[in-house]
Amino acid sequence: AQTVTQSQPEMSVQEAETVTLSCTYDTSESDYYLFWYKQPPSRQMILVIRQEAYKQQNATENRFSVNFQKAAKSFSLKISDSQLGDAAMYFCACGGSEKLVFGKGTKLTVNP
Amino acid sequence: DGGITQSPKYLFRKEGQNVTLSCEQNLNHDAMYWYRQDPGQGLRLIYYSQIVNDFQKGDIAEGYSVSREKKESFPLTVTSAQKNPTAFYLCASSIGRGAYNEQFFGPGTRLTVL
Repeated sequence: AQTVTQSQPEMSVQEAETVTLSCTYDTSESDYYLFWYKQPPSRQMILVIRQEAYKQQNATENRFSVNFQKAAKSFSLKISDSQLGDAAMYFCACGGSEKLVFGKGTKLTVNP
Repeated sequence: DGGITQSPKYLFRKEGQNVTLSCEQNLNHDAMYWYRQDPGQGLRLIYYSQIVNDFQKGDIAEGYSVSREKKESFPLTVTSAQKNPTAFYLCASSIGRGAYNEQFFGPGTRLTVL
């Protein structure tokens, strides 16, 4: 079984600044993947970044990067040079052999 | 264009009625999923199917039913036994079995019980 906790219901950032969204997880599986999904006001879910748990190197996708601390079961998302289009709900998720479990989300506001 | 379609976008139901939400994908994905999204709750898994003619209950399956007769289609029926069906429903699909791969989501269906 998996659980995912996002402790920040809301965050805000100034345009062009950097923000970090927190996520902790727990799983009984040895092979699993971690994800960050973005849901803008259109409600279309979009994958931001994916991390393989057996890889120590942190995943990066352009302005998005993660800090994966396996021992601490922590998986935070850093958004650099924030843009107005980054405003959305962000969901952390943990996927194993059967299903994907989501956290409750963090609403990110980007201030111009 | 490859993708996932859900219909209808908005659906209204009277109490006591069953309704079926459509989900179709042309990505040739093996696995398909149904999620329910409520404010402040994130996404919760209702049912999933990793192969045609097979499906499993998720975390909140009570009051819902599904079928997987074709690889491309995974309809969800919200029955009258679902006590609080008003919510946003998302369908997703992914390649391969398990939840290791990216899930691609449809645009969602907003169900309202009158």
